[in-house]
Amino acid sequence: QVQLVESGGGVVQPGRSLRLSCAASGFTFSTYGMHWVRQAPGKGLEWVAVIWYDESNKYYADSVKGRFTISRDTSKNMVYLQMNSLRAEDTAVYYCVKWGASRGFDYWGQGSLVIVSS
Amino acid sequence: QSALTQPPSASGSLGQSVTISCTGTSSDVGRYNYVSWYQQHPGKAPKFMIYEVSKRPSGVPDRFSGSKSGNTASLTVSGLQAEDEADYYCSSYTGNNNWVFGGGTKLTIL
Repeated sequence: QVQLVESGGGVVQPGRSLRLSCAASGFTFSTYGMHWVRQAPGKGLEWVAVIWYDESNKYYADSVKGRFTISRDTSKNMVYLQMNSLRAEDTAVYYCVKWGASRGFDYWGQGSLVIVSS
Repeated sequence: QSALTQPPSASGSLGQSVTISCTGTSSDVGRYNYVSWYQQHPGKAPKFMIYEVSKRPSGVPDRFSGSKSGNTASLTVSGLQAEDEADYYCSSYTGNNNWVFGGGTKLTIL
């Protein structure tokens, strides 16, 4: 069965960096695009970034462009989100999400909480 | 990219039906049939419920159905059950490899 397990969240000061990791299993990782979606406390979902199955393209929401970088390591079935210059408004649960052949976000991790606070 | 517009809340009695709307623009919902819906229970990750406007992934009850007219997509839940009480989010592709979600609708079973 598909499993996505995020790690790396925590409390970080404004302006600092943090890297989230997502371990994927249960599917042919190298053939699917992967996304990060976040949810601020008590708020709705916000799409953050996508990386294509072959790493050929990466796209970002305007709110994180230039600060966040998505990457993947197919040899390890891992997806990463490098977050730099963090702001208070980046505080959220970050979900690692698989993009399905059905053209939907078909599997979600349990989420990793990032709190940006001094 | 602005979030898609959903009503903050919806409600219905056990066994009844309820429809949740999701309004976008001609650049997202109105242009692409890549509208999907997600169910989220408190403290849990979202669950994939509907894709490409009206298709159901394997395992999703046929009580859940989707449709679209112009710039507005809709999710209908028929035969409401207690476990349907949750937050529901729509999503649409917006072009240029970007996606947008709705603000979410809290469904209450009366």
